[in-house]
Amino acid sequence: GDSVTQMEGPVTLSEEAFLTINCTYTATGYPSLFWYVQYPGEGLQLLLKATKADDKGSNKGFEATYRKETTSFHLEKGSVQVSDSAVYFCAFNTDKLIFGTGTRLQVFP
Amino acid sequence: NAGVTQTPKFRILKIGQSMTLQCTQDMNHNYMYWYRQDPGMGLKLIYYSVGAGITDKGEVPNGYNVSRSTTEDFPLRLELAAPSQTSVYFCAAAWVSAGEANYGYTFGSGTRLTVV
Repeated sequence: GDSVTQMEGPVTLSEEAFLTINCTYTATGYPSLFWYVQYPGEGLQLLLKATKADDKGSNKGFEATYRKETTSFHLEKGSVQVSDSAVYFCAFNTDKLIFGTGTRLQVFP
Repeated sequence: NAGVTQTPKFRILKIGQSMTLQCTQDMNHNYMYWYRQDPGMGLKLIYYSVGAGITDKGEVPNGYNVSRSTTEDFPLRLELAAPSQTSVYFCAAAWVSAGEANYGYTFGSGTRLTVV
């Protein structure tokens, strides 16, 4: 069935380190792909999206490229900040949004 | 625009009590959803609605009911609260066209429910 697999957290980094959070999906066809972010005590916010193969979504220094061949949508950021500490969810949609289990990122000064 | 508004933000229920979690959207989106998020876990779909008057079950519907009498409102009802329903509940809305919500979902800020 449809599913999203994310790398398990927590991911612990020092400020200015490079971030990669892996995400792969299993779906019928070529769905739109999303990354959502959840800051402590808040709801989910759309971080970035890509709607077709080879599209790159970007926002706030984060990037992810829709890789059809590997069914992946890995999240990257070149230099993380303490304020990036949050839980990151990979997701794709048909008429329902299918989430991964989330990856907690902790960035220390 | 307010987007998606959920009330209440927090609630403590005793076992066997009932309550309704309210969700309202002002974006005229056709689809609405209820998810629950358990500690350290992802989101699981409880129920969803593709439009006024139409609802359908998600992954974990047992113990819940919903209704969608208008485009704007999608309340979630717990009839006999159980400790297993302790969770954070998120409502979301999306414009779905040709089977896809290409612009993503807009989430409410959540309702933290504790059943004791």
